[in-house]
Parts: sequence; structure tokens; C-alpha cells
Amino acid sequence: GEDVEQSLFLSVREGDSSVINCTYTDSSSTYLYWYKQEPGAGLQLLTYIFSNMDMKQDQRLTVLLNKKDKHLSLRIADTQTGDSAIYFCAEKYNQGGKLIFGQGTELSVKP
Amino acid sequence: GAVVSQHPSWVICKSGTSVKIECRSLDFQATTMFWYRQFPKQSLMLMATSNEGSKATYEQGVEKDKFLINHASLTLSTLTVTSAHPEDSSFYICSANSRDVYNEQFFGPGTRLTVL
Repeated sequence: GEDVEQSLFLSVREGDSSVINCTYTDSSSTYLYWYKQEPGAGLQLLTYIFSNMDMKQDQRLTVLLNKKDKHLSLRIADTQTGDSAIYFCAEKYNQGGKLIFGQGTELSVKP
Repeated sequence: GAVVSQHPSWVICKSGTSVKIECRSLDFQATTMFWYRQFPKQSLMLMATSNEGSKATYEQGVEKDKFLINHASLTLSTLTVTSAHPEDSSFYICSANSRDVYNEQFFGPGTRLTVL
């Protein structure tokens, strides 16, 4: 079945690192994504990782993929108040290429 | 590049009326467009997938007669919410695949629908 799970809330202090976790079920997924959504806005693609990779780094963002455990994480280094938003992970379902989203993790960054 | 727009950005309508939402790919041709629905503080739920010139594929539990999707060209898809009711109030987001970029869906800014 199609299922992507995330923890709902994360609170960190400005300057700390944030780690948002995600688990998925479709082992044949080709790509896994992290999106950011600010209040009342659409989705902004932050980064993605191909399923044959273990890690991808892009400036302050590091994505780790454990394909055996079907676990994906997003680490944000030096978290800023502007990073406060909801973060969604998504897997690209092999059939039809549709995206299945997790519930979203609300990241709150306190000064 | 790869910009997707939606119109209107928000709409308020009376119960029983129909509302049309447009999704346009501004600088690329969209082979496939997707329509999502998002309730407050919840995830995006895929409603349907549409390919240009063919009928949309609806997800289980989504009423095709209630949510009419037309994908008339490679740059435009429309979602019409027919005979809207207050429970249809939601945030509707579209996305599009570009034939040149396989691994990314480009999302529109969303349309907030409120049915009174």
C-alpha cells in the first residue's frame, strides 16, 4: 500500500540543527522529495534524492536515505526563524509517477 | 523557469454553485497535471491525474462527477467543483510534470475555496 509517515511537530532553537524524519512503504520508489510549505502558500521543492543514493547535501540541507529501513531524513543546519514552516516528504510512486505525501512536520524555530 | 500558476488564488461562493479553478504551466509544456486537495493542518491528498487530451484518472473515493477535470492543452488544466457545498471548502493545489524534467513536479500556489 501507499503510506508515508512523519512526526507532526518539531521545535528547535535558532542556530541548532533540525532533523525531520520520514518513513515510506513503496520499496520501488524512484525518487524521494522534501517540500516546504509556508502558511497559505503552495509547495516549494527543497531537495530530492534518487533511490540509489544514500546521502545528498545541498548547502544547509542534508538528506539521508536508508533504503533497507525505508527511512528518509532531512537535516537543516544552523536553523533560522525563516525555516519555520511545514515540511513534507513525498515518494514518487512507480505506477503513474504520482507523489504520495506524508502528513507534514511543523517545524517551529524559537529565537 | 518551470512556473505553474493557478487562478483564482482564492474564491468564496454560495452553496450549490459551481467553481472553476485554472492551472497553467507558464513556460513549459506539461505532459501530466495533478490535482491535490489539502485540509487545514493536513497533508496533500491526490484527487486526480490528468493527461492532455484524455480523461482524468481519479483516485479512489473522489467523485468524478463532482470534481470535473479538463486538460485541454499542454499548458492548461481546469478543475470544476460542481454544486459546491461547505464540506468542499479546502485548499486546492495543482502540479505539473514537464516533458523535459522527469524527476520533478512543479506546484502551483494553490487556490483557497470557501463555500458558504
